[in-house]
Amino acid sequence: QKEVEQDPGPLSVPEGAIVSLNCTYSNSAFQYFMWYRQYSRKGPELLMYTYSSGNKEDGRFTAQVDKSSKYISLFIRDSQPSDSATYLCAMSVGAAGNKLTFGGGTRVLVKP
Amino acid sequence: GAVVSQHPSWVICKSGTSVKIECRSLDFQATTMFWYRQFPKQSLMLMATSNEGSKATYEQGVEKDKFLINHASLTLSTLTVTSAHPEDSSFYICSAPGGGRNTGELFFGEGSRLTVL
Repeated sequence: QKEVEQDPGPLSVPEGAIVSLNCTYSNSAFQYFMWYRQYSRKGPELLMYTYSSGNKEDGRFTAQVDKSSKYISLFIRDSQPSDSATYLCAMSVGAAGNKLTFGGGTRVLVKP
Repeated sequence: GAVVSQHPSWVICKSGTSVKIECRSLDFQATTMFWYRQFPKQSLMLMATSNEGSKATYEQGVEKDKFLINHASLTLSTLTVTSAHPEDSSFYICSAPGGGRNTGELFFGEGSRLTVL
């Protein structure tokens, strides 16, 4: 069993719809949770960063962390074709300088 | 956010040759950098942790003699793939903690695509 599980997709939605992404994990020591967006042949770009449980909102993006269920989510409202990319969840035990454990990534396609 | 630059962005080499990839933190200092490898349609797999002024820490299953890492300064880490073979063809990405507003935030380079013929 992988430490972090993520549905690979692809997830296809019409423009304007809400995109819902999630990851489950097994290591209860994870404290820091991140979502990255990766366009083809590019490095990952940090979208959301959350410490411990709770919700965080930034523009069209909302990240949720439920440590009791070992489950994290990312919601993208009013999706745009430019949101088409692979979304990677990542998490770490410690803070600065600690290595990340990534999920496998979910490929998202937003159709105009 | 902080900027991490990688060079070259892509490289093609013959089997048996060595290839060096550079990772630079442009506007911040990084005592630690991470090197990841990503195969097509797969996630990032951590290869090693590069530590300024000391030896790198390699993940299980990663050959340290094949993937040489040097972190000679606070802004530069290099990954050298020695005696490259076609199975080493992959997307190599480095990252560094940027010391940004979020503790633990990692910034990634644009990646270097290696193709070994």
